[in-house]
Amino acid sequence: QKEVEQDPGPLSVPEGAIVSLNCTYSNSAFQYFMWYRQYSRKGPELLMYTYSSGNKEDGRFTAQVDKSSKYISLFIRDSQPSDSATYLCAPSTSGTYKYIFGTGTRLKVLA
Amino acid sequence: DAGITQSPRHKVTETGTPVTLRCHQTENHRYMYWYRQDPGHGLRLIHYSYGVKDTDKGEVSDGYSVSRSKTEDFLLTLESATSSQTSVYFCAISEGGQGRVEQFFGPGTRLTVL
Repeated sequence: QKEVEQDPGPLSVPEGAIVSLNCTYSNSAFQYFMWYRQYSRKGPELLMYTYSSGNKEDGRFTAQVDKSSKYISLFIRDSQPSDSATYLCAPSTSGTYKYIFGTGTRLKVLA
Repeated sequence: DAGITQSPRHKVTETGTPVTLRCHQTENHRYMYWYRQDPGHGLRLIHYSYGVKDTDKGEVSDGYSVSRSKTEDFLLTLESATSSQTSVYFCAISEGGQGRVEQFFGPGTRLTVL
């Protein structure tokens, strides 16, 4: 079993839709939960992260962690064509500064 | 944008030849990482460094070596390239320290081993 599982997609949605992207993980020691966005032929860039359980909101993006079920979610409200990218979840244990990346979910937002 | 450059950006080489990829940062960050990205596998850590001359292996380190003689430079060497090492290689840096977990990525190097 992989430490982090993520559906590769592609996920196609119409502009304005609410998007839900998800990961599951197996290591209960993970404390930091990152979401990276990667445009085609570019390096990943950090979108947002949460520490431990709970929600975090940043504009149209909400990150959610449920440690009891080992489930990580990223919600995008009012999705835009510019949100079309691959989204990677990346949990990390505290203090190691090393991530385990999911395979990424490719999202297409259709105008 | 974090000051990270990678060179070369593209390289085609033949099986059995040595290859060195360079990562250069201007942020004075302590931690540096080399990843490879392949379809179906996502980003996998090859090696990382937590200071000058301090390095450690990641999950896919076989066939790769690294060196860090200066804070700003982290070199990845494929001693004898194989076709299975055809991939996109990303360098990343991280400041480290309490709560400073963000990794900043370079633009990537696309390596093809024929």
